[in-house]
Amino acid sequence: KAGVTQTPRYLIKTRGQQVTLSCSPISGHRSVSWYQQTPGQGLQFLFEYFSETQRNKGNFPGRFSGRQFSNSRSEMNVSTLELGDSALYLCASSLEGQPYEQYFGPGTRLTVT
Amino acid sequence: SQQGEEDPQALSIQEGENATMNCSYKTSINNLQWYRQNSGRGLVHLILIRSNEREKHSGRLRVTLDTSKKSSSLLITASRAADTASYFCATDARGYSTLTFGKGTMLLVSP
Repeated sequence: KAGVTQTPRYLIKTRGQQVTLSCSPISGHRSVSWYQQTPGQGLQFLFEYFSETQRNKGNFPGRFSGRQFSNSRSEMNVSTLELGDSALYLCASSLEGQPYEQYFGPGTRLTVT
Repeated sequence: SQQGEEDPQALSIQEGENATMNCSYKTSINNLQWYRQNSGRGLVHLILIRSNEREKHSGRLRVTLDTSKKSSSLLITASRAADTASYFCATDARGYSTLTFGKGTMLLVSP
């Protein structure tokens, strides 16, 4: 089975712009979670989607949003980018019956200048 | 917020030696998992141990869990240079699917 894929792998944006990141889960996985990883804060949960519905949300401002499509693919969007949004954004997918056993993609490295 | 704290923050050993890293957490958990991350890339799932288990093995990996002390340890036996990576523990609480990660242990295995 193919693993979780994320596109793009690297992205450079300017403050104030917006960005959309994409994630394709492992085939058969219907739950997708997003995490932000920074040197200072470590790995932090952003949100989780299941069957096109946001099931959980982390403590991030409303500039961070996401969605899930009927084929379980997910996108996250960050509007009005700030320098502090520079991070590795990781997507993970899991099976319906084992939402805690998450399998991660390679991540998207976002740099905001 | 960070639930777990890994110890040590960094560990440097020679190939063939064993590596032990520890994880402590604060609240009751449903499962505890260990992940590996190479050079800021994606996380690789290593092993999951449930709250009612005390020890689990997978290849060269041995994980223990002490729920009374809210701690876990990961032992990598006969380390190889390819084991060089950061190792994270992640916990989830009953009824919740979100993972809470520790800050990780950086392991360097020298040839």
